[in-house]
Amino acid sequence: AQTVTQSQPEMSVQEAETVTLSCTYDTSENNYYLFWYKQPPSRQMILVIRQEAYKQQNATENRFSVNFQKAAKSFSLKISDSQLGDTAMYFCAFMRANSKLTFGKGITLSVRP
Amino acid sequence: EAQVTQNPRYLITVTGKKLTVTCSQNMNHEYMSWYRQDPGLGLRQIYYSMNVEVTDKGDVPEGYKVSRKEKRNFPLILESPSPNQTSLYFCASSPSSRQGQSWPPNQPQHFGDGTRLSIL
Repeated sequence: AQTVTQSQPEMSVQEAETVTLSCTYDTSENNYYLFWYKQPPSRQMILVIRQEAYKQQNATENRFSVNFQKAAKSFSLKISDSQLGDTAMYFCAFMRANSKLTFGKGITLSVRP
Repeated sequence: EAQVTQNPRYLITVTGKKLTVTCSQNMNHEYMSWYRQDPGLGLRQIYYSMNVEVTDKGDVPEGYKVSRKEKRNFPLILESPSPNQTSLYFCASSPSSRQGQSWPPNQPQHFGDGTRLSIL
């Protein structure tokens, strides 16, 4: 069974600084997707970024980028130039071929003004 | 507008009183799923459906039922709710990979806005 581990329950970062959220996963499959979802206080689940396992290039979306290490089964999220609106819970998620999503337990990120 | 709609958004009810949370999507997605979110546990899958009339258990199916009679709807049924089912529930949908088609799908899962259930 796939597992997703987010070992840090919470982090804090100063506005405009850079922060990295860690995620590791365990799978025996070769084809899969990895995601980071953001959940602000409104409780919506918002897709931040996704990575296809067969692509070696790390995904980037504006201030968000990932460090995908397939051999190490690591998928960290880097947020550059942190903004107050980045304050939220962040979930790492793994998706296999049948579309089943497995989530980590989440990390609460606080951005300090 | 592409969306997944859940109703109700909030519900407070009592133990044993049957309830249904509806989920509807307008994107013609084959795959639909229900999750529950609890503090410290993240989101856990309850049930999922690969297409009409095809449903399967997720990681925490006990105490829940689902049906998929139409492609757009995937209701979650609690026949006899108990306090340990107090949680935040999310419905999600996505295209599904099919044999012969390229994988992975080109869209991630779309989530509804969540339903906060309190069982007293």
